[in-house]
Amino acid sequence: SQQGEEDPQALSIQEGENATMNCSYKTSINNLQWYRQNSGRGLVHLILIRSNEREKHSGRLRVTLDTSKKSSSLLITASRAADTASYFCATAEYNQGGKLIFGQGTELSVKP
Amino acid sequence: GAVVSQHPSRVICKSGTSVKIECRSLDFQATTMFWYRQFPKQSLMLMATSNEGSKATYEQGVEKDKFLINHASLTLSTLTVTSAHPEDSSFYICSASEPIAGSSYEQYFGPGTRLTVT
Repeated sequence: SQQGEEDPQALSIQEGENATMNCSYKTSINNLQWYRQNSGRGLVHLILIRSNEREKHSGRLRVTLDTSKKSSSLLITASRAADTASYFCATAEYNQGGKLIFGQGTELSVKP
Repeated sequence: GAVVSQHPSRVICKSGTSVKIECRSLDFQATTMFWYRQFPKQSLMLMATSNEGSKATYEQGVEKDKFLINHASLTLSTLTVTSAHPEDSSFYICSASEPIAGSSYEQYFGPGTRLTVT
C-alpha cells in the first residue's frame, strides 16, 4: 500500500536553485521520514520529523510537517548536481514496530 | 549508524526456480525486519513484516506461499521467492528496526538485491 502522493513527480532545476518537494499522507502518524535514493542503489536516510514537531533542519535540508493537513515538505537549498536522485517520504504509525509506508517519490534532476 | 547487509546483491535465475535472499543486521539485534519490493521508476512497496520467532505478516495482495519469509534469529531474516517468474524481477530491499526515544524506531535499510528472472 502507498501512503499518499508526492509532488512533483519530477523536478528539474539548475545548480544553486532551491528544490521543494511535497508529500501528503492519509493516516495518523508517529513520525515522517525523508529518504534519498540514487538510481539503482539503496536508500539513504535524510531526516526524521516527529508528529509533535513542525520544522526541522539538517544542513541544507529543511523539513516541515503539518499534521492538520497531513502533509510535509522537503526543501533542499543551494542544490548541487550531486543532489540528483529520487526522494521519498515515508510515514510511521504508532505501535507498528517502525513499519514505514512510502510515498510515490519525486525524481530530482539538478543540472550543472 | 547500524548496518544491515543483504546477500546476494544481484541474482539471475531461471523461471520456475527458487531464490533465497538474506538480510542481516550486523551490529544490533532486530526483533522486527521488513521486506520491500521496488519496480523500476516506482516507490518501495511493503511486502511483509518479519518478526523473530513468529510468522511473518503479509501486506494485502502479497502471496505468502510465493514469498516465504523466515526470521530465525535476531540478526537474520530470509526471503525466498518460490517458483520465480519474470514478473517477479524487481529490486528487493530489507530493513531492520531498532527502538529509539519517544516510541519511535530507527530503520536501517539494506543495500537491496536485484533479482532478474529469465
